[in-house]
Amino acid sequence: DQQVKQNSPSLSVQEGRISILNCDYTNSMFDYFLWYKKYPAEGPTFLISISSIKDKNEDGRFTVFLNKSAKHLSLHIVPSQPGDSAVYFCAASPGNQFYFGTGTSLTVIP
Amino acid sequence: DTAVSQTPKYLVTQMGNDKSIKCEQNLGHDTMYWYKQDSKKFLKIMFSYNNKELIINETVPNRFSPKSPDKAHLNLHINSLELGDSAVYFCASSQVQNRGSGANVLTFGAGSRLTVL
Repeated sequence: DQQVKQNSPSLSVQEGRISILNCDYTNSMFDYFLWYKKYPAEGPTFLISISSIKDKNEDGRFTVFLNKSAKHLSLHIVPSQPGDSAVYFCAASPGNQFYFGTGTSLTVIP
Repeated sequence: DTAVSQTPKYLVTQMGNDKSIKCEQNLGHDTMYWYKQDSKKFLKIMFSYNNKELIINETVPNRFSPKSPDKAHLNLHINSLELGDSAVYFCASSQVQNRGSGANVLTFGAGSRLTVL
């Protein structure tokens, strides 16, 4: 039973444009949402998080938006760069338990 | 100065064998985890230890046994390996935050790819 879903397995974007990665969840008790980035043969690395009491969090080129009524969050990367090409995992946390989506593979085309 | 290191990175073995994957973290975190990423790329928690005590034990066959000799180490031993155990196993650590004090961020190792033939 997947509580966190990323329905787009892949996304291609031109360099300089905006990348939007989406994530849906089912459990309204989640209190934090996180995005991780993963390069091949490496472990996921933390990118950005958002508390369930916020609707937006920004860190440089990365912004996460949370829509609690729709149980949906998205990660915006602007402008996209070739080095952003990686797999992005959405995760949700009710404390020290984490539920991950299956990832979206982003390719930024130079 | 790797934060979370796990060995071996690759492991190829025959069905029925017993194998171990080791994990060490030098971040001073109090909680360590094992995650399994299967062929569908689904990252699923297996175990979590907080200060050497087991706190999360998901529905995992009892052929999998974690061992935490101290809070910087969490090893995973697998008995009687089966084909379905083939996956990438990720170790992770975190410093658990009090609720409302911020996100509990995991730091992952690079993964150990297990192939069972």
